[in-house]
Amino acid sequence: AQKITQTQPGMFVQEKEAVTLDCTYDTSDPSYGLFWYKQPSSGEMIFLIYQGSYDQQNATEGRYSLNFQKARKSANLVISASQLGDSAMYFCAMREPNFYGQNFVFGPGTRLSVLP
Amino acid sequence: GAVVSQHPSWVICKSGTSVKIECRSLDFQATTMFWYRQFPKQSLMLMATSNEGSKATYEQGVEKDKFLINHASLTLSTLTVTSAHPEDSSFYICSARGGTVLNSPLHFGNGTRLTVT
Repeated sequence: AQKITQTQPGMFVQEKEAVTLDCTYDTSDPSYGLFWYKQPSSGEMIFLIYQGSYDQQNATEGRYSLNFQKARKSANLVISASQLGDSAMYFCAMREPNFYGQNFVFGPGTRLSVLP
Repeated sequence: GAVVSQHPSWVICKSGTSVKIECRSLDFQATTMFWYRQFPKQSLMLMATSNEGSKATYEQGVEKDKFLINHASLTLSTLTVTSAHPEDSSFYICSARGGTVLNSPLHFGNGTRLTVT
């Protein structure tokens, strides 16, 4: 069963506007962590933001914020004031403590294109 | 902090030869490292979990005799693609945990693009 779902294969946004990238997850464990990574065309994976399942507030990190809706099991990434350099693949990932090796599970990704 | 270095960044080799990819944690000790493979326009696929001082744990469908993993120290894991074939051409990327607590992110190397001719 798919643990991480990203329903938007591709998204377009105008420069300086905000964009929301969707992520839903599936777990029965009450304790888990959610992460977002950015992968530019060069290939490196860049960690953006983290949300813990017990965190009371939505995570924010500069222009990145996470819209965490626990009951809906969604953790959408919001990028404010988009820049051309934000064009990249974005992956949502989940880490469960009872999963062997505490490994991460990655979603299929969303390709974001920022238009000038 | 938490820098992971991967080398080489790209490699072209002939079919039948072996290729070694190194993954180093530069400023922290990594008892566990992860090796991923990524096909174009797809997500990361976990190949194996590399544990320092013990055998790697391979995911289902990954040939352990073809993808040899060695984690001889707390800062170095290597992936050797043995007898490479064109279908092994892919992007390989390693990662290490910055810590064992739940909020510790994975830190990734910059990846290796392997082309087998």
